[in-house]
Amino acid sequence: KQEVTQIPAALSVPEGENLVLNCSFTDSAIYNLQWFRQDPGKGLTSLLLIQSSQREQTSGRLNASLDKSSGRSTLYIAASQPGDSATYLCAVNDYKLSFGAGTTVTVRA
Amino acid sequence: DAGVTQSPTHLIKTRGQQVTLRCSPKSGHDTVSWYQQALGQGPQFIFQYYEEEERQRGNFPDRFSGHQFPNYSSELNVNALLLGDSALYLCASSFWTFSTDTQYFGPGTRLTVL
Repeated sequence: KQEVTQIPAALSVPEGENLVLNCSFTDSAIYNLQWFRQDPGKGLTSLLLIQSSQREQTSGRLNASLDKSSGRSTLYIAASQPGDSATYLCAVNDYKLSFGAGTTVTVRA
Repeated sequence: DAGVTQSPTHLIKTRGQQVTLRCSPKSGHDTVSWYQQALGQGPQFIFQYYEEEERQRGNFPDRFSGHQFPNYSSELNVNALLLGDSALYLCASSFWTFSTDTQYFGPGTRLTVL
């Protein structure tokens, strides 16, 4: 059974600081890994998807890496802004998505 | 493109009642998955439908059932509601190509069981 863990559970940083969010998973037989953003009480917004054959993916200030052999992914958010405050979820796809519990980020102005 | 849509947005039911949630997938998508997200937790996989058949199922009791229609839209039914069924129910649609898919999520249905 796939287990996905996200560390830390919560993070508070001043505006402008870089964010590093970690995700680990137990079974490396995955098709891809997605990072999502969730605002309070809302649905999920897909941020980045990394195919199992890729090592990283970038979109604007966001960069995600994937090390399938060690079962780890990291999401980097550069120069954080108050609008980045949200919960960030990683999910691995092995025909279904298995999610971590998320990291709740607060960026202080 | 309207994206994934879900209805209703919010729902309040009492214990023992039955509920039906609906999902319309993104245009061109043929696979629909349902997830349950309790407060403060990550979403949990309920089941997935493809070509009107349940393709795989998570660790949920038989009280949770579903259906996919020929137009790929889907329903999630929950019978004999329990207080613990209170959650955000998320629908995701996808299309498999080149041995991978990207799941797109709807806004969710917030179910409250009293």
